[in-house]
Amino acid sequence: GAVVSQHPSRVICKSGTSVKIECRSLDFQATTMFWYRQFPKQSLMLMATSNEGSKATYEQGVEKDKFLINHASLTLSTLTVTSAHPEDSSFYICSASRIGISGNTIYFGEGSWLTVV
Amino acid sequence: GIQVEQSPPDLILQEGANSTLRCNFSDSVNNLQWFHQNPWGQLINLFYIPSGTKQNGRLSATTVATERYSLLYISSSQTTDSGVYFCAVLRQSNSGGYQKVTFGTGTKLQVIP
Repeated sequence: GAVVSQHPSRVICKSGTSVKIECRSLDFQATTMFWYRQFPKQSLMLMATSNEGSKATYEQGVEKDKFLINHASLTLSTLTVTSAHPEDSSFYICSASRIGISGNTIYFGEGSWLTVV
Repeated sequence: GIQVEQSPPDLILQEGANSTLRCNFSDSVNNLQWFHQNPWGQLINLFYIPSGTKQNGRLSATTVATERYSLLYISSSQTTDSGVYFCAVLRQSNSGGYQKVTFGTGTKLQVIP
């Protein structure tokens, strides 16, 4: 079946550095991918919608200059957390929408645990 | 925006028991999905169910779109069912180009031996 792969699954970085998370759709083309953030014991919150070949659409309150999103191809979207701080430590997860006969189905990556020290 | 509420927020079950999880949403939606998030954070798609009833083994789901709710039934629960269950509603974007997903508040399920 459809698979969305996310990498890395875990990353620890120093405060002030930048870290990139990749999201790939492995066997289908995804013109749109989504990035979510989840704080402990809370629901997933949509950060931005990544559109292939165009600028991402950010949700209210999400800093676009801090969370850079690039959707360079139909199978790859990247999220770069720039100048990371400890409060950016969180679980980040991507998803991609696959258009099928019965409609659109959302598939999720495995998620990435980011720890900023 | 659309509100998606799940109940109960927490649930503890004895192994073998049955349960019903509920998802209420405040506006019309194009589709609805149920997910299970395991302790490692991975989201597993359980059902894609904009309306009607579907069954998959011990799990089944029913969505009544006109009344804006969906139910997830877990029968003969097992310890491996533990985790957080999310419903997510999908709505077409204003441009019509993609669907926007809004997650529910989640139900944390713990199945004890």
